[in-house]
Amino acid sequence: DAGVTQSPTHLIKTRGQQVTLRCSPKSGHDTVSWYQQALGQGPQFIFQYYEEEERQRGNFPDRFSGHQFPNYSSELNVNALLLGDSALYLCASSEATNEKLFFGSGTQLSVL
Amino acid sequence: SQQGEEDPQALSIQEGENATMNCSYKTSINNLQWYRQNSGRGLVHLILIRSNEREKHSGRLRVTLDTSKKSSSLLITASRAADTASYFCATASYNNNDMRFGAGTRLTVKP
Repeated sequence: DAGVTQSPTHLIKTRGQQVTLRCSPKSGHDTVSWYQQALGQGPQFIFQYYEEEERQRGNFPDRFSGHQFPNYSSELNVNALLLGDSALYLCASSEATNEKLFFGSGTQLSVL
Repeated sequence: SQQGEEDPQALSIQEGENATMNCSYKTSINNLQWYRQNSGRGLVHLILIRSNEREKHSGRLRVTLDTSKKSSSLLITASRAADTASYFCATASYNNNDMRFGAGTRLTVKP
């Protein structure tokens, strides 16, 4: 049984570009959450998807958007990249909201 | 914004010693969870304690929750070098669908 998988593992972009990160949840999980983790900090909640809808959103600008597909996989899109967007982006899935989260290994995004 | 705050920020101990990390939070919670992260990769769930529970055990881990003080502690007994990692508390509230993480405690266990 595969856990949460994220792709790519590393990504280098330049300021102003756009990026798409992908996540496949653990089998049987229908809820996907995205987090941004800056170096030395805790994960910051970006948004959560359930039944293909954004159910909750954290304190992130509209440049951050997402999508959930019928198979529960999800994408995180970031437009007009800034240097400050450099971080580890983590995807987590769960059977239900506010229960145990299963994390992927993350995508390390570097914006130059 | 982050909900929990871990204390201390960093902890260094010898193998075999016990490690205690504390977490304080601000709002009422449904449950509190502890996670571990190695080398900046994915987080691994350690233990969940619900708001109506006061203490929970899992192997060498012991978690306490004091809702009146809005605080929790994680105790790792008989630590091992392999326990070296960052530890985060995360809270789930009744009104939100997201888990809020603290800044973490970086634990170093010296062999």
